[in-house]
Amino acid sequence: GAGVSQTPSNKVTEKGKYVELRCDPISGHTALYWYRQSLGQGPEFLIYFQGTGAADDSGLPNDRFFAVRPEGSVSTLKIQRTERGDSAVYLCASSFKDTTDTQYFGPGTRLTVL
Amino acid sequence: GQSLEQPSEVTAVEGAIVQINCTYQTSGFYGLSWYQQHDGGAPTFLSYNALDGLEETGRFSSFLSRSDSYGYLLLQELQMKDSASYFCADGASGSARQLTFGSGTQLTVLP
Repeated sequence: GAGVSQTPSNKVTEKGKYVELRCDPISGHTALYWYRQSLGQGPEFLIYFQGTGAADDSGLPNDRFFAVRPEGSVSTLKIQRTERGDSAVYLCASSFKDTTDTQYFGPGTRLTVL
Repeated sequence: GQSLEQPSEVTAVEGAIVQINCTYQTSGFYGLSWYQQHDGGAPTFLSYNALDGLEETGRFSSFLSRSDSYGYLLLQELQMKDSASYFCADGASGSARQLTFGSGTQLTVLP
């Protein structure tokens, strides 16, 4: 079956603008995760959804970052008033349920804030 | 807090064996996962150690010692396609707990 997909693959925006990044998890996966990866670093956790609810948003760096998953499938990560420091690859992952299964990652969205 | 330390770079030749070490300092340690990531690609799951000992999956093996807060990934019969970044991570392979990654080891396989 299809893996985790993310759109767009690349996003270039100007400082201060608003961006939305989309994640389509593997069909049937109830758990969805967002991570951020800077160059030369490992992915850094942002937020975890179980179904429609954010079970853990402790990794969101500040209130400019927000994510939703209204129907328990597709998720959107929203960044307001973007800053140059937000430039990174934003990775989405999903897993079948919240206990035992592997996290499958998407290819990421490369965000560049000019 | 949690931190996982790995060497930043490792170089080996095709056909050789290479070991990538990972030491960790974490509270509430779940287990050690390993992910592979090619340039521009998605991290892909390789293995997970919940218990001490060696887990073998084909050419790749992973080891964990909780008493030493240490683990490693062993890659045998290296191939050019194994050139990638390898990340150790604290967290059950798919638990409700988020994964905490090390900074990664860039493996270069030479002909």
